[in-house]
Amino acid sequence: AQSVAQPEDQVNVAEGNPLTVKCTYSVSGNPYLFWYVQYPNRGLQFLLKYITGDNLVKGSYGFEAEFNKSQTSFHLKKPSALVSDSALYFCAAQDPYRGSTLGRLYFGRGTQLTVWP
Amino acid sequence: ETGVTQTPRHLVMGMTNKKSLKCEQHLGHNAMYWYKQSAKKPLELMFVYSLEERVENNSVPSRFSPECPNSSHLFLHLHTLQPEDSALYLCASSQGVLGNTIYFGEGSWLTVV
Repeated sequence: AQSVAQPEDQVNVAEGNPLTVKCTYSVSGNPYLFWYVQYPNRGLQFLLKYITGDNLVKGSYGFEAEFNKSQTSFHLKKPSALVSDSALYFCAAQDPYRGSTLGRLYFGRGTQLTVWP
Repeated sequence: ETGVTQTPRHLVMGMTNKKSLKCEQHLGHNAMYWYKQSAKKPLELMFVYSLEERVENNSVPSRFSPECPNSSHLFLHLHTLQPEDSALYLCASSQGVLGNTIYFGEGSWLTVV
C-alpha cells in the first residue's frame, strides 16, 4: 500500500528566508508525487507534481520540489518565503486503482507553514 | 477561479435530516471524487466515479450515498448522520489517467448537530 509521511506538523520561517517542507513516501512501482496547498477555509490547490524526468520540479508561486529516489523524499522548497505563503501544505502520492489507468491520491497529514514578517 | 464548484459551502443539519452536497466540474474531466477532511485524520477518499460508474467505495457508511448522473455532476446525499461526520467534504475531478492532476473544489463545510 502507498503511504506518505510529512514528519513536521509545523514549519516556521522568517520572510525572505528559504523554506523547506519535508515529505517522504513509500510506494510500489514508479512514484507519482504531488504537492497541494490549502489556505484557510479553502479547498486544495495544486502546486506541482513529479511524474518522470528531472528531479527538480518547478511549480506555481515560485515553489519547487526535489525528487530523491534513494531517500524516497519529495521535499517542497522555495528560495525566499513570503508571508502570503502561510498555509497548510499536503504531499500526496498517486497510484492506479486496481490495475486500471484511474489514478487516486494518498495524502500525508499536512504541514502548517507559518512565515513571520 | 476553480473549475470545480461545490454547493453549499456551509451546511448545518440535524441528525435526522436529509440533505445533499452538489459538485459540478467545468474541466471536461471523466473522473470525479469525494474526499473527507476532518481535524484528526488525513484526507480520506470516500468515492470515485469514472465515466459515471462508481469504481471505489472505501467502506464508507451507508448514510453517505453518492450519485453521478453525468460526467460533470456529482452529488453526496446525506441522511441520519452523526456528529462525528462533521467535516470538510471536498469534491475533485481529473482526466482519470494515472499521472494526471486531480483538481479540487472549495469544499463544503458540514456540521451535524
